[in-house]
Amino acid sequence: DSGVTQTPKHLITATGQRVTLRCSPRSGDLSVYWYQQSLDQGLQFLIQYYNGEERAKGNILERFSAQQFPDLHSELNLSSLELGDSALYFCASSVALSRGGDEQFFGPGTRLTVL
Amino acid sequence: GNSVTQMEGPVTLSEEAFLTINCTYTATGYPSLFWYVQYPGEGLQLLLKATKADDKGSNKGFEATYRKETTSFHLEKGSVQVSDSAVYFCALRGIQGAQKLVFGQGTRLTINP
Repeated sequence: DSGVTQTPKHLITATGQRVTLRCSPRSGDLSVYWYQQSLDQGLQFLIQYYNGEERAKGNILERFSAQQFPDLHSELNLSSLELGDSALYFCASSVALSRGGDEQFFGPGTRLTVL
Repeated sequence: GNSVTQMEGPVTLSEEAFLTINCTYTATGYPSLFWYVQYPGEGLQLLLKATKADDKGSNKGFEATYRKETTSFHLEKGSVQVSDSAVYFCALRGIQGAQKLVFGQGTRLTINP
């Protein structure tokens, strides 16, 4: 158990809908990262938050947004869902701003299926 | 930009066989290199890491050496077990900018008894 929790574990929805994925980082971790794992794109970085502020953006679609709250949990919002958004979404956390060999701890993921 | 290339899978071996999963990278300077493992139905776990050239990371019988001259970080284990069956990801973190991890495509390993 990494100490990172994600809810829900599974999510099935229809095209055009909007969903929210939730992540609670390890106790004391200030940085949260979101990654998407899909069959065709592999594991890709989406976005990073540090202590409530957006720190870095990767290959995140405009239909997707995220935020980190004062209690440090984070939410990833996916809207106008398309079939291609079906994937496993991971959250990871680290103590501060990961440098060098600092470890990122991954949650179990949320599997999103868009029908 | 930074990128990681892993050997294509899936890989199937018999128990006690020798394992090598190749990983090469493209990056500026000296990135930090990682191997993560994903067991069925679980998130990624850090298996080992190396932060500078010629460093050897090791854990649970797995080893990988940071080779700057060949830009490689191949994963090896001398005698695999059925419990090693999982998906293995090579990853790097660059020296500048975002602290994101850049992953290879993953290699699915199956060990048969």
